Amino acid sequence: AQSVSQHNHHVILSEAASLELGCNYSYGGTVNLFWYVQYPGQHLQLLLKYFSGDPLVKGIKGFEAEFIKSKFSFNLRKPSVQWSDTAEYFCAVLGGSQGNLIFGKGTKLSVKP
Amino acid sequence: NAGVTQTPKFQVLKTGQSMTLQCAQDMNHNSMYWYRQDPGMGLRLIYYSASEGTTDKGEVPNGYNVSRLNKREFSLRLESAAPSQTSVYFCAISLRGQTTGSYEQYFGPGTRLTVT
Repeated sequence: AQSVSQHNHHVILSEAASLELGCNYSYGGTVNLFWYVQYPGQHLQLLLKYFSGDPLVKGIKGFEAEFIKSKFSFNLRKPSVQWSDTAEYFCAVLGGSQGNLIFGKGTKLSVKP
Repeated sequence: NAGVTQTPKFQVLKTGQSMTLQCAQDMNHNSMYWYRQDPGMGLRLIYYSASEGTTDKGEVPNGYNVSRLNKREFSLRLESAAPSQTSVYFCAISLRGQTTGSYEQYFGPGTRLTVT
């Protein structure tokens, strides 16, 4: 069965620090990959997605992710985080038999002002 | 939220009580999903509906039933709530991206359920 691993459970950074959140997936075929963000008390919002083409994907709010097929990875990056980036981040792959998303367990990001 | 609404936003139940969580979409899409979100577990699929009148079990269907009577609405029912069903429930729809041609999921605002 497909699975998604997120390496960090909780990351704490100071404002202006650089961010990289790890994500690895197990699905070996054509992959559709996503990062979602969930701000405290809110629903999931799509941050960025990869379907094909350029492996460096740019999303909203200055986030980007790089798809590295040989490493089965799709890490999320941001050069300089802000306090408003405090949220939980979920990596997901479109790989379920019903066309559903398989989610990682999430990484909480806390940014200190 | 791509036109996905959920009611109620919050609910507290006693063990053994029943309730129905409602989800509606206004974009005429076929595929709808119910997920539950638990701390440290990410989101897990409860049930899925490919179209009106069809439903399939997901990863964690036990203790739940669903109903897709029309294209617009997909409801999740707890017949006899248990504390293990304390969770945040999200409904989602699947949209085909106009530029990518691939499917993306968009989520409703969620229902926070507590079972005591």
